[in-house]
Amino acid sequence: EAGVTQSPTHLIKTRGQQATLRCSPISGHTSVYWYQQALGLGLQFLLWYDEGEERNRGNFPPRFSGRQFPNYSSELNVNALELEDSALYLCASSSVGQAAYEQYFGPGTRLTVT
Amino acid sequence: GNSVTQMEGPVTLSEEAFLTINCTYTATGYPSLFWYVQYPGEGLQLLLKATKADDKGSNKGFEATYRKETTSFHLEKGSVQVSDSAVYFCALRKTARQLTFGSGTQLTVLP
Repeated sequence: EAGVTQSPTHLIKTRGQQATLRCSPISGHTSVYWYQQALGLGLQFLLWYDEGEERNRGNFPPRFSGRQFPNYSSELNVNALELEDSALYLCASSSVGQAAYEQYFGPGTRLTVT
Repeated sequence: GNSVTQMEGPVTLSEEAFLTINCTYTATGYPSLFWYVQYPGEGLQLLLKATKADDKGSNKGFEATYRKETTSFHLEKGSVQVSDSAVYFCALRKTARQLTFGSGTQLTVLP
């Protein structure tokens, strides 16, 4: 069974540009979560999508947004990039019911803002 | 709000030593508790979990017991290997599905 996949692996952008990160969940999983792992700040929850809807977001500005497609894959968009957005962005997916307790993570996208 | 406090790292041990990484949490009610491991250059892998008080999660020789009275979920392994070198994250899940993580503990095991 294929795991959670993310693309691209690395992304280099200039301050002020926009970044788009992509995530494909495990087959059969309907929920997708995004986390930011920034140096010195640990892992922080960004967004949760389920069945195409944004269900919850963490304490991040509106320039962090995303969507979930009918096939449950997801995009994370970061507008007006700032230097402090440089981080590893991790996507996770989960199933429904009791299995929703377990989130499975992808390898991440390393975003570097210069 | 919910929070997780983890033992500060880095931790360096010799192969076959006993490992304990402390984790305590703050949350109302009964959160689910997890340990994740992150090997160099990789994403997070679920190591073990416990969903109610007194549950013991175990996997690959690692164990952790959900202690409601001390709000703790300490990770232990009786004999570590070089291949266990990684960053370990304690996390909880209460409502709305998102995980709240501790700051991570870097473990290095020397041969």
